[in-house]
Amino acid sequence: SQQGEEDPQALSIQEGENATMNCSYKTSINNLQWYRQNSGRGLVHLILIRSNEREKHSGRLRVTLDTSKKSSSLLITASRAADTASYFCATDPTSGSRLTFGEGTQLTVNP
Amino acid sequence: KAGVTQTPRYLIKTRGQQVTLSCSPISGHRSVSWYQQTPGQGLQFLFEYFSETQRNKGNFPGRFSGRQFSNSRSEMNVSTLELGDSALYLCASSPGQGAIQPQHFGDGTRLSIL
Repeated sequence: SQQGEEDPQALSIQEGENATMNCSYKTSINNLQWYRQNSGRGLVHLILIRSNEREKHSGRLRVTLDTSKKSSSLLITASRAADTASYFCATDPTSGSRLTFGEGTQLTVNP
Repeated sequence: KAGVTQTPRYLIKTRGQQVTLSCSPISGHRSVSWYQQTPGQGLQFLFEYFSETQRNKGNFPGRFSGRQFSNSRSEMNVSTLELGDSALYLCASSPGQGAIQPQHFGDGTRLSIL
């Protein structure tokens, strides 16, 4: 079974709006990573946040991590049509050594 | 620097056949992981190879196997193909072993079983 669960499963917004995606997980982690996947392509790494970090920024991306609630959020500000993709969170559990992916959020940004 | 290269991009096979997929990691990366992606099950971890040794294995039957060569290139083999093996098979590489570093993915091999 998947370690992470993204919410919502699908999100449709207008260009210029902000998009927020959430991820919940079940076990203790070393880090949590977010990836983007365009249709028919491989995954692209966006950002990694370690378990002792609470917030991280990269360009228009902001990731937060709450280890007490076992949850993370990815915020994309001022979205663009090119941001249309599936977004996955992946956890590196302390009990194992491999990334475990959630089921993803399909983001559609309408021009 | 060239990215992760997977060949072939598309493959059509029939039930009972076997297939070999290839992955060339980013130069200098020694870890290669394989994933199966399907609409129903999402991304499922198959196995990880580091320095020619399998370091980690997911919950897949023995029909799924792999290997890694001294130049870090990896191959994945699936024998006695079943309809349920239809999926996008993704390979990812990283400099070191495990999940502490970002994974760099190829564009995958789309395998269709008829």
